[in-house]
Amino acid sequence: GAGVSQSPRYKVTKRGQDVTLRCDPISSHATLYWYQQALGQGPEFLTYFNYEAQPDKSGLPSDRFSAERPEGSISTLTIQRTEQRDSAMYRCASSPRGAGDGETQYFGPGTRLLVL
Amino acid sequence: LAKTTQPISMDSYEGQEVNITCSHNNIATNDYITWYQQFPSQGPRFIIQGYKTKVTNEVASLFIPADRKSSTLSLPRVSLSDTAVYYCLVGANTNAGKSTFGDGTTLTVKP
Repeated sequence: GAGVSQSPRYKVTKRGQDVTLRCDPISSHATLYWYQQALGQGPEFLTYFNYEAQPDKSGLPSDRFSAERPEGSISTLTIQRTEQRDSAMYRCASSPRGAGDGETQYFGPGTRLLVL
Repeated sequence: LAKTTQPISMDSYEGQEVNITCSHNNIATNDYITWYQQFPSQGPRFIIQGYKTKVTNEVASLFIPADRKSSTLSLPRVSLSDTAVYYCLVGANTNAGKSTFGDGTTLTVKP
């Protein structure tokens, strides 16, 4: 595609519900990242994929958070039993090469999640 | 991961040159330095990247001294549309893929 797309753009849910966010990276990009960004702060790394492999999950805040990229392209981020503190912007980025120094990340528009 | 330190905010006026310095004292030998720009309600956007000395592109210059413990993003003749948050990132070859953005520098350009 022309750029990284994310859906939905906005999601309002009630505490305790599960939500799934989707990221469609630039086609053929090897690496895909997920970030959480609170208002007024920089993006916080959650996890990344190198094709379908997920080498680093260290940024996921709890086991309620999981991500998949089963075919090495589209990825989903699922938050189970959402809590109010999960409210944030969730950003996806992709880069053309395998993860490593120097790659440029291309960001999507983000999904704004609000947990009531 | 190399920790970075940037000023929280800066003010400037249209037409001026703006220099934003980032400190990264524990930068590793193979690390690159990358700067991103983020407008409200948008994702970060790549501006420039360098390893040493000076890099220039159509929007900015990046100055990196010999010890590489800091870097300076230079924006020539800023306009109101350059008002944004600017992030300095330093890659770590032992943590490939994990990027630390920090809170960035909020640049406000005034008329």
